[in-house]
Amino acid sequence: DIQMTQSPSSLSASVGDRVTISCRASQIFNDYLNWYQQKPGKAPKLLIYAVSSLQSGVPSRFSGSGSGTDFTLTISSLQPEDFATYYCQQSYTSPHTFGQGTKLEIK
Amino acid sequence: QVQLVQSGAEVKKPGASVKVSCKAYGYTFTTYYIHWVRQAPGQGLEWMGIINPSRSSTTYAEKLQGRVTMTRDTSTSTVYMELNSLRSEDTALYYCAREPIAVAGLGMDHWGQGTLVTVSS
Repeated sequence: DIQMTQSPSSLSASVGDRVTISCRASQIFNDYLNWYQQKPGKAPKLLIYAVSSLQSGVPSRFSGSGSGTDFTLTISSLQPEDFATYYCQQSYTSPHTFGQGTKLEIK
Repeated sequence: QVQLVQSGAEVKKPGASVKVSCKAYGYTFTTYYIHWVRQAPGQGLEWMGIINPSRSSTTYAEKLQGRVTMTRDTSTSTVYMELNSLRSEDTALYYCAREPIAVAGLGMDHWGQGTLVTVSS
């Protein structure tokens, strides 16, 4: 199985900050790497697919990058509605594993 | 519009089975995989398995092999997830989510609202 490890597990930041969340895979795979945002009591929401493609309707302050085993989600200027938990996920092979999540909190 | 509507909350005793449904609206049912993902209280997301509604083919997470079964009914555009021999550790919010079949790697773009399954004696 491909293990996905996110860092940090939690992060405190202020509105307007630039934030990066990392995701490392246990083995190299192709570009089937996705990012989801989850708010309390809600289903996850797809933000980024295929490493860097922005899902329709997602603000352009979200971006994704990376290759091989190392991937990054960047929020260029945090907005109040961005405080949530973020998950990476590989959809290259089953099981389609998720990272453990990064909780983004208000400083 | 696209919707995945799941069945209501369930309370089960240890050892029992639960069957959760996920009914699709607003798109061609057989053109999207359905994944099942669960989330234990306060925990992260756990991928459980996937079904191709066109072929009825399935792949399950190894830790659930032998206990989980995913099926579909194309006449009602509904996918079912049945989990047997329930344990307290199966208490979780269960989600269905869709992913395109024709183009790989586009992610799960629509999710159900979640079904809470509580296992308690």
